[in-house]
Amino acid sequence: EAQVTQNPRYLITVTGKKLTVTCSQNMNHEYMSWYRQDPGLGLRQIYYSMNVEVTDKGDVPEGYKVSRKEKRNFPLILESPSPNQTSLYFCASGDRGSNQPQHFGDGTRLSIL
Amino acid sequence: AQSVTQPDIHITVSEGASLELRCNYSYGATPYLFWYVQSPGQGLQLLLKYFSGDTLVQGIKGFEAEFKRSQSSFNLRKPSVHWSDAAEYFCAVGASNQFYFGTGTSLTVIP
Repeated sequence: EAQVTQNPRYLITVTGKKLTVTCSQNMNHEYMSWYRQDPGLGLRQIYYSMNVEVTDKGDVPEGYKVSRKEKRNFPLILESPSPNQTSLYFCASGDRGSNQPQHFGDGTRLSIL
Repeated sequence: AQSVTQPDIHITVSEGASLELRCNYSYGATPYLFWYVQSPGQGLQLLLKYFSGDTLVQGIKGFEAEFKRSQSSFNLRKPSVHWSDAAEYFCAVGASNQFYFGTGTSLTVIP
């Protein structure tokens, strides 16, 4: 089954404690992306990757890091999380760039205390 | 900068009634346009997309959308709403390798 898998689905943690949210896709997609969803703001793109070792900032990259060492994986790293990063996060993948639809994971709800 | 506007935060319709969700975008050229649906606790699912050609596109679950270049709009429609259509709907623009989403429209369906 074609899918984008995020882990964990839920996480409560404290300010400053580094965390990683993993994302994996099994569709051999070149394009992968991370979003955060906040009430009243819709989804905002954090980072995206056009292919292995190619990553670029989206609209809200501050406080986040990503890496793309393998085609299937695109982890999101919060080196020093802060309460304003409490949000619902989605990973997505697609065939190429912004001219193709994306397949979304089920989301990761992060709470930073 | 690109932007997507969904002017209706929340819409309530009766089951069996028709539905139109509005979406306006700001972009210099013709962008790639998408509508997604999000059920509670779920990720987003693609309903339909527009790249070029026929301005009326058909999607899944009986949805359709019409691209109007003169109005920079891409409104989503369904002739007869079912209770299972209750969800949040997002319009999105793809441009320059990035995606821009509207703030969403929450749909409530009354039996």
